[in-house]
Amino acid sequence: QSVLTQPPSASGTPGQRVTISCSGSSSNIGRSYVYWYQVLPGTAPKLLIYRNNQRPSGVPDLFSGSKSGTSASLAISRLRSEDEADYYCAAWDDSLNVVVFGGGTKLTVL
Amino acid sequence: QVQLQESGPGLVRPSETLSLSCTISGGSISTYYWSWIRQPPGKGLEWIGYISFSGSTNYNPSLKSRVTISIDTSKNQFSLKLTSVTAADTAVYYCARDSDVAWFDPWGQGALVTVSS
Repeated sequence: QSVLTQPPSASGTPGQRVTISCSGSSSNIGRSYVYWYQVLPGTAPKLLIYRNNQRPSGVPDLFSGSKSGTSASLAISRLRSEDEADYYCAAWDDSLNVVVFGGGTKLTVL
Repeated sequence: QVQLQESGPGLVRPSETLSLSCTISGGSISTYYWSWIRQPPGKGLEWIGYISFSGSTNYNPSLKSRVTISIDTSKNQFSLKLTSVTAADTAVYYCARDSDVAWFDPWGQGALVTVSS
């Protein structure tokens, strides 16, 4: 069981907006930055969002991140077929002294 | 641009030591922190630990008794050793640059390590 809680699956149709949630606690999301990673089938994870809501260069602006209290979310506007992947949130946990990941959300584009 | 590449045996016997190296190209290891992360088949990501360019380390408490991460600045390389492995250690092992805790970018392509007799 992961310290950060994500829904195991999400889905949407092309062009739709999809949101993936990540729920934590005061020892992780509540006091640390949140990061989001995209894992396409058969490839290494790729940084999608850093420091809650910042996009690295090269990441399309249809990806956005937000954080409120002990929860965070990743939004994908205008869903595309190539966005079908696993998505993970991550943060530092001050109590456990460890980087914690969410269990991952498998996004299906219908 | 910085690239990372894992290398090491793909098969390790139970109770033996898993050893992997990560070679950095296109940049110097002498800045940033450097992490190892793994993903068992069909499961999520697990952070193993990091090492700084000066050699200070921080390990996942769940693996701390079995893990050693070291750095060789002359080779622009850092390494992972995991002792007393079992089938539960079978995973794809990734190395990554760690700009801040949990800020992993870029990642290596990953190395599948299977623990089996």
